[in-house]
Amino acid sequence: AQSVTQLGSHVSVSEGALVLLRCNYSSSVPPYLFWYVQYPNQGLQLLLKYTSAATLVKGINGFEAEFKKSETSFHLTKPSAHMSDAAEYFCAVRGGFKTIFGAGTRLFVKA
Amino acid sequence: DAGVIQSPRHEVTEMGQEVTLRCKPISGHDYLFWYRQTMMRGLELLIYFNNNVPIDDSGMPEDRFSAKMPNASFSTLKIQPSEPRDSAVYFCASSLWGRTDTQYFGPGTRLTVL
Repeated sequence: AQSVTQLGSHVSVSEGALVLLRCNYSSSVPPYLFWYVQYPNQGLQLLLKYTSAATLVKGINGFEAEFKKSETSFHLTKPSAHMSDAAEYFCAVRGGFKTIFGAGTRLFVKA
Repeated sequence: DAGVIQSPRHEVTEMGQEVTLRCKPISGHDYLFWYRQTMMRGLELLIYFNNNVPIDDSGMPEDRFSAKMPNASFSTLKIQPSEPRDSAVYFCASSLWGRTDTQYFGPGTRLTVL
């Protein structure tokens, strides 16, 4: 069975600092992995996805994630945080026709 | 495209009342998902449909919950009778066969049961 674990329910960074949100996965088959973002009072929207092509995946708003099979990780990064990045971020893995979401990490950005 | 449409956006009701949440998926999408989001339990998949047929309802918490999809452009999630612990944000999402890796979420319905 597939699952994801997000390390840290809250992350706080200063504006302009590196953003690093951690996600580890468990999958019995080559995984399809995703990061979704949820802004306040909105639904989730796709940031980026890994589907077994390039291991470094670039998404919207300057985010990227690297698939590391040896570490079973799919961490999300952004070189320089912006105030508008404050949101909740969900790592997810596809299991059959369902998507299994992690518990989420809330990102705070300090001015 | 208008995206996934949900109504109402907010619902406040009293315990014991029937609640019906509505969803219109993106045109052409053949998978539809209902999720519930709470602080305590995070995002939970309740049920999903393929071509209007319920495929997996193992996430539906109790018999008080039911979902239907009478046609490709409309789905409902009903709670009868509602209880305070049903208070949550309910999301509908849709996706397209062959691209089931990307789900498109609606804005959600915030349900408060008093």
